[in-house]
Amino acid sequence: AQSVAQPEDQVNVAEGNPLTVKCTYSVSGNPYLFWYVQYPNRGLQFLLKYITGDNLVKGSYGFEAEFNKSQTSFHLKKPSALVSDSALYFCAVLTGANNLFFGTGTRLTVIP
Amino acid sequence: TAGITQAPTSQILAAGRSMTLRCTQDMRHNAMYWYRQDLGLGLRLIHYSNTAGTTGKGEVPDGYSVSRANTDDFPLTLASAVPSQTSVYFCASSEGTSFTDTQYFGPGTRLTVL
Repeated sequence: AQSVAQPEDQVNVAEGNPLTVKCTYSVSGNPYLFWYVQYPNRGLQFLLKYITGDNLVKGSYGFEAEFNKSQTSFHLKKPSALVSDSALYFCAVLTGANNLFFGTGTRLTVIP
Repeated sequence: TAGITQAPTSQILAAGRSMTLRCTQDMRHNAMYWYRQDLGLGLRLIHYSNTAGTTGKGEVPDGYSVSRANTDDFPLTLASAVPSQTSVYFCASSEGTSFTDTQYFGPGTRLTVL
């Protein structure tokens, strides 16, 4: 079955330090991968996506993600975390033509 | 621009009652979607619509129905609510009809079925 996994429910990082939120995927064929962020009591906001092309994808708010086919990963990264980055992050993969499968989410807390 | 609005913000509903969750977008997007978000399960697609007059089933469509009479509105109806439908419901839209297109989400409706 096609899916994504976010192995960490919670990630804590100090402000100013680099952050990584992990995502691994399992798909047949070419993967289409997405990252969304959810702030408290809000809907999801799109950060970035990988469809084809460069393995390093740059997105909103200084985030980037690297598509690694050999490791079947699409980890989200940012060089210097901000307190305002604290939120719930979702990785998603397109499964078939008509479904976007979301991971269970990783709660990022940036400590001042 | 409001983007996507959902109503109500929250609702408590007795089991067996019916309810319609409203969703309106003002971006003239072609496609619209309904998801439910449950703790520990991420988001799951309920129904979607690629254009006015057409709808399709997602991952968890049972117990829900949708209609798309025009471009802007995509209501979700629970004909006879059950406690397992307690969830946060998000409406989304995208300009294109491919699931690779960026989806824009509304603020959500928190529904509790007792």
